[in-house]
Amino acid sequence: AQSVTQLDSQVPVFEEAPVELRCNYSSSVSVYLFWYVQYPNQGLQLLLKYLSGSTLVKGINGFEAEFNKSQTSFHLRKPSVHISDTAEYFCAVSDVQDTGRRALTFGSGTRLQVQP
Amino acid sequence: DTGVSQNPRHKITKRGQNVTFRCDPISEHNRLYWYRQTLGQGPEFLTYFQNEAQLEKSRLLSDRFSAERPKGSFSTLEIQRTEQGDSAMYLCASSPQSGGRETQYFGPGTRLLVL
Repeated sequence: AQSVTQLDSQVPVFEEAPVELRCNYSSSVSVYLFWYVQYPNQGLQLLLKYLSGSTLVKGINGFEAEFNKSQTSFHLRKPSVHISDTAEYFCAVSDVQDTGRRALTFGSGTRLQVQP
Repeated sequence: DTGVSQNPRHKITKRGQNVTFRCDPISEHNRLYWYRQTLGQGPEFLTYFQNEAQLEKSRLLSDRFSAERPKGSFSTLEIQRTEQGDSAMYLCASSPQSGGRETQYFGPGTRLLVL
């Protein structure tokens, strides 16, 4: 069984400040890792993903995340946030094996609130 | 590439009524997924299709729920005898067979409110 924990339900931050959104996962198999962003009343947009290789992955809108296997973490970071980054952010995992569970398992989300 | 589309975007119904949602995946994506998202929570997996075959169903998919993908293209999700607890956002996603099959692309969702 897989599980994803996003410890912070809300993260308030001032504009142009750095931010880190935390994600920890638990799985008995190797996983792919994803961050999605959801704006109000919209679907999910892929920010970035870790499949293999370099543990530091860069995504859209200036976001990056680092995979730490020993800590089973995949924290999302941005050095300077904008008002437009205000949204809900979801961390998710799926099995590496194509014969495994194909569905994504999501965390409960972190609401990033950027204040002027 | 027009992305995943879902219709309707919003649905209000009375308890006990049946509702049906439609999802059109990205063209040539043969994998299609349905998720449900309740307020303040992350999406939860409901079911998965590869072409027209429904290969996985979650325990969340009660007997009142049925999903189809008859020609391996669009999919429908029907909820019979709706209950207030069915109120949620229903999300559809698709992914290709290979070359990026691990990445799911989501539609805008259908928000259901059961009165």
